[in-house]
Amino acid sequence: GDSVTQTEGLVTLTEGLPVMLNCTYQSTYSPFLFWYVQHLNEAPKLLLKSFTDNKRPEHQGFHATLHKSSSSFHLQKSSAQLSDSALYYCALSLASSSFSKLVFGQGTSLSVVP
Amino acid sequence: GALVYQYPRRTICKSGTSMRMECQAVGFQATSVAWYRQSPQKTFELIALSTVNSAIKYEQNFTQEKFPISHPNLSFSSMTVLNAYLEDRGLYLCGARPGGNSDYTFGSGTRLLVI
Repeated sequence: GDSVTQTEGLVTLTEGLPVMLNCTYQSTYSPFLFWYVQHLNEAPKLLLKSFTDNKRPEHQGFHATLHKSSSSFHLQKSSAQLSDSALYYCALSLASSSFSKLVFGQGTSLSVVP
Repeated sequence: GALVYQYPRRTICKSGTSMRMECQAVGFQATSVAWYRQSPQKTFELIALSTVNSAIKYEQNFTQEKFPISHPNLSFSSMTVLNAYLEDRGLYLCGARPGGNSDYTFGSGTRLLVI
């Protein structure tokens, strides 16, 4: 079946350093890929999603590029901020119809320290 | 904007009893509602996907007999955890979307503790 694998566990970074959270996927089809961010006691919010025309999505300084050859959609940011500390989930969806569902990775906890 | 409210935020139930949780969409029509569970140390697992005017589709390992879902209109859904046991504890997340190419909006979840 379809699955998503992320950088495991906790990633701790010093403020100002670059961020890279890995995400790879397995799917028989060409899925849409998503990154969700969840701050403590809040709902997961959509951060980025892949485009069908290979554009690189960007939001709040984060970007990710869908590489079909390596089945990856790594999340990157050039300079980490303290407010980036949160749980990050990579997810895939097979279709954009009402019957589509999201398959989540296990999540990566990012902690940015001064 | 589009918001999804879930209540209760957290709840405790005795082993063997049942717990109902609710999901309210505000600012958009919730044509599709997805219920997820995040057990301790695990990721979000899809329980079922409900689309108004269509049958509710349960994932493997989850059944209607254990997790009955109601989706009576375009703003509300509820799910009950029947006969809850320790393995049912976790965060239950509701995500809703209008359909078409739209993205899911998630609630903050209902955290269930079973004692």
